[in-house]
Amino acid sequence: GAVVSQHPSRVICKSGTSVKIECRSLDFQATTMFWYRQFPKQSLMLMATSNEGSKATYEQGVEKDKFLINHASLTLSTLTVTSAHPEDSSFYICSAYGGYPSYEQYFGPGTRLTVT
Amino acid sequence: GENVEQHPSTLSVQEGDSAVIKCTYSDSASNYFPWYKQELGKGPQLIIDIRSNVGEKKDQRIAVTLNKTAKHFSLHITETQPEDSAVYFCAGGRGDDKIIFGKGTRLHILP
Repeated sequence: GAVVSQHPSRVICKSGTSVKIECRSLDFQATTMFWYRQFPKQSLMLMATSNEGSKATYEQGVEKDKFLINHASLTLSTLTVTSAHPEDSSFYICSAYGGYPSYEQYFGPGTRLTVT
Repeated sequence: GENVEQHPSTLSVQEGDSAVIKCTYSDSASNYFPWYKQELGKGPQLIIDIRSNVGEKKDQRIAVTLNKTAKHFSLHITETQPEDSAVYFCAGGRGDDKIIFGKGTRLHILP
């Protein structure tokens, strides 16, 4: 089946620094990727929709200048958390839309971000 | 936009019994309804999905039903086993567009 990877799986950074998270579709091309954030014991909240070669579409309440998304190729999307603060600590999960023939979204394993 | 409600938030079932989780959605344009299982510290795993052109789908011990008129869909797990313990999320939307998640159901399988 289709595989989506994320790197890193865990990251700890200091308050005020930036951190980049990569999402890759390993065996298929994804024109659309999605970024979610999940706080402990809560559901996945969609942050943004990323289309290859165009600007991401952010959900209401998500700061686009803080969460920079780049989808430079059909297999890679990156999320950069800029000037991270402790309240940004969360589990960040990406998904990639596989298109034909599955028409499914495939999820990555997630990245645990801790801001100290 | 789409809004997905999920019940119950917690469910305890004796091993071997059946578990049912129910969801409702608001957007009649939604046509894709996946169910995910999430284990601690991992990303969600698709366990079954259903599209709006069918009313029921089954895969071994797992089945999903969809009532488009009432805008609700349900997950049924039969002959539950300890490894079924996890958090289950329903979602709704279009497969090529964003999908909105329910709040999740924590399923406990009791020995």
